[in-house]
Amino acid sequence: ETGVTQTPRHLVMGMTNKKSLKCEQHLGHNAMYWYKQSAKKPLELMFVYNFKEQTENNSVPSRFSPECPNSSHLFLHLHTLQPEDSALYLCASSRGLPGLAGRSYEQYFGPGTRLTVT
Amino acid sequence: KNQVEQSPQSLIILEGKNCTLQCNYTVSPFSNLRWYKQDTGRGPVSLTIMTFSENTKSNGRYTATLDADTKQSSLHITASQLSDSASYICVVSGQNAGNNRKLIWGLGTSLAVNP
Repeated sequence: ETGVTQTPRHLVMGMTNKKSLKCEQHLGHNAMYWYKQSAKKPLELMFVYNFKEQTENNSVPSRFSPECPNSSHLFLHLHTLQPEDSALYLCASSRGLPGLAGRSYEQYFGPGTRLTVT
Repeated sequence: KNQVEQSPQSLIILEGKNCTLQCNYTVSPFSNLRWYKQDTGRGPVSLTIMTFSENTKSNGRYTATLDADTKQSSLHITASQLSDSASYICVVSGQNAGNNRKLIWGLGTSLAVNP
């Protein structure tokens, strides 16, 4: 295990539903990330948090709403999703942000939540 | 445009054989290159991280090489095992306009090791 857990592992939801994905890291890291992995596409970075503060939002639609109450927990709230949002959603954490000069902080990934929007 | 291209897209080999996966990138300026292994239904797990000055790095039966001049990397797997069946993803760290590091992910090579 990587020290990063995600729940649920699988989720099927209708377009009018509201659901939340949860991520927890037990590594004492300060940075947490949400990624989307779709078939035939590279991983897409969605959001980055550092010390609970959002530092990056890569033009993600507002139907995805992240929340980071502390450095160990990260949520992704979902509402009125579209079928094209079906994908594997991965959470990751690292000791620091990769933006610091001379630092290459490794990211540790959770197992992901397989989301299907019907 | 910053890009990472991997080849082959997929590969099937017999257990015990060796194989080499390729990664070409156009990311500039370059910071480091990582190889990840992703098992089906799991998140990626880091195998190696290589900086500009490193030519070769090993992690057990996995050996990564980096040629920063030609912007190419390879991942060599020795004496393959059934558990090596996975997707292998090359990730290059560059810098965006704000001078922050940005990870550019490849599509991955899907490796199947058959008995």
